[in-house]
Amino acid sequence: AQSVTQPDIHITVSEGASLELRCNYSYGATPYLFWYVQSPGQGLQLLLKYFSGDTLVQGIKGFEAEFKRSQSSFNLRKPSVHWSDAAEYFCAVGAGFGNEKLTFGTGTRLTIIP
Amino acid sequence: GAVVSQHPSRVICKSGTSVKIECRSLDFQATTMFWYRQFPKKSLMLMATSNEGSKATYEQGVEKDKFLINHASLTLSTLTVTSAHPEDSSFYICSAYSTGSLDGYTFGSGTRLTVV
Repeated sequence: AQSVTQPDIHITVSEGASLELRCNYSYGATPYLFWYVQSPGQGLQLLLKYFSGDTLVQGIKGFEAEFKRSQSSFNLRKPSVHWSDAAEYFCAVGAGFGNEKLTFGTGTRLTIIP
Repeated sequence: GAVVSQHPSRVICKSGTSVKIECRSLDFQATTMFWYRQFPKKSLMLMATSNEGSKATYEQGVEKDKFLINHASLTLSTLTVTSAHPEDSSFYICSAYSTGSLDGYTFGSGTRLTVV
């Protein structure tokens, strides 16, 4: 069965500092990996995704993630966070086919301090 | 890009009544839609997979008679919470997959259901 682990429930970062959110997955085949961001009371917005090819993926809002098959990881990074980055972040894994579900991690809440 | 419209965004209903939540794909055809439930400060739990023209596939532990899902067209799926109780209060989110979208999966903006 597929699963996603986000070991950090809550992370606090100073504005302007770098950020790394961890994600580990378990999947029986080549995974399709996603990072989503959710603001309170809102739906999910895709930050970036990995299907194949270059293991370093660039996304929106200055985020990037690196797929490491040997570590079963897909960590999200940003070199300098902004106050507007405060939100909940979810990592997800799926088969990549339209009728296949996504499995989400438990999420990491990001707090930004001035 | 692909857009999924979900309505209503908020609804308050009395215990024992039914509530319908709509999820529409505005600019693409969605043969498959997914319904998730999210508890406060928790992750998204898949409730069911909705396939156009066929019965939904429910996840283990989800009461299919309580959470009725209908996917009558390629652009509309509905979730009806029947005989709602306070424990059904939650945030419900739909998602659809579009082969024409670079994002793949597109999510609705969610529905906050409060049962009083």
